[in-house]
Amino acid sequence: DAKTTQPPSMDCAEGRAANLPCNHSTISGNEYVYWYRQIHSQGPQYIIHGLKNNETNEMASLIITEDRKSSTLILPHATLRDTAVYYCIVRFPTTSGTYKYIFGTGTRLKVLA
Amino acid sequence: KAGVTQTPRYLIKTRGQQVTLSCSPISGHRSVSWYQQTPGQGLQFLFEYFSETQRNKGNFPGRFSGRQFSNSRSEMNVSTLELGDSALYLCASSTNPSLYEQYFGPGTRLTVT
Repeated sequence: DAKTTQPPSMDCAEGRAANLPCNHSTISGNEYVYWYRQIHSQGPQYIIHGLKNNETNEMASLIITEDRKSSTLILPHATLRDTAVYYCIVRFPTTSGTYKYIFGTGTRLKVLA
Repeated sequence: KAGVTQTPRYLIKTRGQQVTLSCSPISGHRSVSWYQQTPGQGLQFLFEYFSETQRNKGNFPGRFSGRQFSNSRSEMNVSTLELGDSALYLCASSTNPSLYEQYFGPGTRLTVT
């Protein structure tokens, strides 16, 4: 099963890009990478997901390496409200037609004024 | 559209008791998943329901059970509570299980004394 590794914490200056890495070196071909974030005392919030192509939405960009062994979540212009714990998640299908989810330990991002 | 609601928000129980937590998904969402979050173990997947059927289950003992009703509302039950069951229990809903763009509720904080 795929496992994910994330740095425990990162700081980023307000207005700068925040680049959050995730290592999923054992990922296989049909396993998606998802990113969520959790602001203190709230439930996690979906950010973005991808399989092998880079993805962008109104919140962030997701860059997945060609070998798919790692990915980077990019918040282009971090604000103080982006301070949160960011989780990298691998979802993979099981033989029974369901899915299993492997959560990273999360990166605590602190955006500094 | 109202978000995912969970009741109660806070709960204190003693060892050996049982507890039932409730989750109302976003209107139109038929898939409900449950997660346990603790400082030591992070986010862990408990189970997932779709159309009143459990489709997936994490690695938790049989003391943890759940069900889903015809209106998609879900409950989870923990019997014979242990101190280690103290955690934030999160519920998430989505339109169907093949999507991982889930919407989380605020969680129920369970404290076992």
